[in-house]
Amino acid sequence: TQLLEQSPQFLSIQEGENLTVYCNSSSVFSSLQWYRQEPGEGPVLLVTVVTGGEVKKLKRLTFQFGDARKDSSLHITAAQPGDTGLYLCAGPNAGGTSYGKLTFGQGTILTVHP
Amino acid sequence: ETGVTQTPRHLVMGMTNKKSLKCEQHLGHNAMYWYKQSAKKPLELMFVYNFKEQTENNSVPSRFSPECPNSSHLFLHLHTLQPEDSALYLCASSQGTSGRGGEQFFGPGTRLTVL
Repeated sequence: TQLLEQSPQFLSIQEGENLTVYCNSSSVFSSLQWYRQEPGEGPVLLVTVVTGGEVKKLKRLTFQFGDARKDSSLHITAAQPGDTGLYLCAGPNAGGTSYGKLTFGQGTILTVHP
Repeated sequence: ETGVTQTPRHLVMGMTNKKSLKCEQHLGHNAMYWYKQSAKKPLELMFVYNFKEQTENNSVPSRFSPECPNSSHLFLHLHTLQPEDSALYLCASSQGTSGRGGEQFFGPGTRLTVL
């Protein structure tokens, strides 16, 4: 069974601070995705990383895929209250089923205080 | 409408009621999913449909009954639920043949409360 462990589970910071969220596994994933979910809404896909060592930037968010494709990180620079939400990492299950069944991490709840 | 829509957004029901959740995707995807999201728990996959055929039932109690009449619509029929079934029910879809590994697109969810 492939598992994804996220840390920290909770993060409470002040506006303007930087933060990093980690997503780790003992298994190799062909890709990893990051989602953000706001209260009362469904998760929204932020990015997919596919190549080991890949770095992708989305405004103040930087996503990295580990060289061995077993881990990923999300770094937010100068966090804003609008970044508040649940951050989820997910990866396709081994076996490559055509319908892309995903394993999700348990999530990181980020609160950014003004 | 664009993306994935779900109705109703909120539902309160008694344990003896029968109700249905509806999901519609406007993305031309082949696969659709039902997830349950409870407080302090990761997303729990319930059912997967691929080209209208159910390909996964993740040991879900029979009081939850899915239906997928076509690739764009997915229903979750509910009957004799328990209070512990109260949760956010999320629908998602994906392009099954995506080479990028199954990116899923979620609806806004139905917040279900069972009294």
